Amino acid sequence: DGGITQSPKYLFRKEGQNVTLSCEQNLNHDAMYWYRQDPGQGLRLIYYSQIVNDFQKGDIAEGYSVSREKKESFPLTVTSAQKNPTAFYLCASSRGTDNEQFFGPGTRLTVL
Amino acid sequence: AQSVSQHNHHVILSEAASLELGCNYSYGGTVNLFWYVQYPGQHLQLLLKYFSGDPLVKGIKGFEAEFIKSKFSFNLRKPSVQWSDTAEYFCAVNEAGMDSSYKLIFGSGTRLLVRP
Repeated sequence: DGGITQSPKYLFRKEGQNVTLSCEQNLNHDAMYWYRQDPGQGLRLIYYSQIVNDFQKGDIAEGYSVSREKKESFPLTVTSAQKNPTAFYLCASSRGTDNEQFFGPGTRLTVL
Repeated sequence: AQSVSQHNHHVILSEAASLELGCNYSYGGTVNLFWYVQYPGQHLQLLLKYFSGDPLVKGIKGFEAEFIKSKFSFNLRKPSVQWSDTAEYFCAVNEAGMDSSYKLIFGSGTRLLVRP
């Protein structure tokens, strides 16, 4: 069954701690993306990667970091520099950048 | 900067009513257009997309959308909604064939509640 998995589904962290969100895809897609979803604001792009070992900042990259060491994996680290990290985080992938994106189930991060 | 506007933030309908959700975008070039749906507790999934050709596109579950280039619009329609259509709907746009086509711009979403 092809798809995108994100773990964990819910994550709680104390303020000031870094936290890493997992995203794995078995669709053999080249491009992967991280979005943040806040109520009433739609989805905003954090980072994206077109190929392994390459990634670019999106609209709201400050306070986040990513890596793309494998085609299947695109983990997102929410650092202590992110001022308002509590949100719903969605990972997506696509065959290329001009194709439809497929989304994972999301991780809801709450910083206490 | 590009933007996508969804004018209706919350819509409440009774079953069998007709649905039209508005979507307007601001970009003068060639675009790809998408409608995504997020059912309660489920993944965001594609309802339909427009890349080129017939401006009236049909998607899953009886949804359709019409691209009107002169109005920069891509409104979503369904003739008769069901309770199971209760979800949040997102319109999205990207610049076709450009280096920046990775950048899918989303509207703020419309929450649809269908009453039985």
